[in-house]
Amino acid sequence: QVQLVQSGAEVKKPGASVKVSCKASGYTFTSYGISWVRQAPGQGLEWMGWISAYNGNTNYAQKLQGRVTMTTDTSTSTAYMELRSLRSDDTAVYYCARDLLPYDSSGYSHWGQGTLVTVSS
Amino acid sequence: DIQMTQSPSSVSASVGDRVTITCQASQGISSWLAWYQQKPGKAPKLLIYAASSLQSGVPSRFSGSGSGTDFTLTISSLQPEDFATYYCQQANSFPLTFGGGTKVEIK
Repeated sequence: QVQLVQSGAEVKKPGASVKVSCKASGYTFTSYGISWVRQAPGQGLEWMGWISAYNGNTNYAQKLQGRVTMTTDTSTSTAYMELRSLRSDDTAVYYCARDLLPYDSSGYSHWGQGTLVTVSS
Repeated sequence: DIQMTQSPSSVSASVGDRVTITCQASQGISSWLAWYQQKPGKAPKLLIYAASSLQSGVPSRFSGSGSGTDFTLTISSLQPEDFATYYCQQANSFPLTFGGGTKVEIK
């Protein structure tokens, strides 16, 4: 069965960086895109960006441009999201999510369990 | 960017009620719309994609409709497990924006 397993919770100081991993299993990794979505405490869902696991093409939310980098390692079927220059308002649960269909971002059929990133001095 | 506006932001309903949630896009997105259900402490769950296609395993009391800019999610007979927050998401063009959410609460 399809599974996305994320790395564990992180506590970071303002200005630091965090890198969250998302290990996929149960499907052909390179056939589906992966998106990252975050949710601040008590708030709604915020789309952060998307990466093609096929060729590494990315598309990022404009507000995060310059601070976020999404990558994949096809040898281990793992996606990564790195966020730099962390601020307190980056405190959130970060989710990876897989596209519903191959080469088609019609929705996200599978999600990771979420990774809580806390930014605090 | 395409803005997604959901209404209402919250609704109180009883088991067995019919519940309708609307989502409006700031520009036409054809049928590129998905609906998700999220329960506290859990990842979202895909209910509907392509505006009206029911995701595998989702009960048939959930249905979606609409195209262009106006969309609706309907729960035909609310069940206890349906109390949750619901989000729409446009999948027409990057960035793939979400609506603000609708919390369905027990009346």
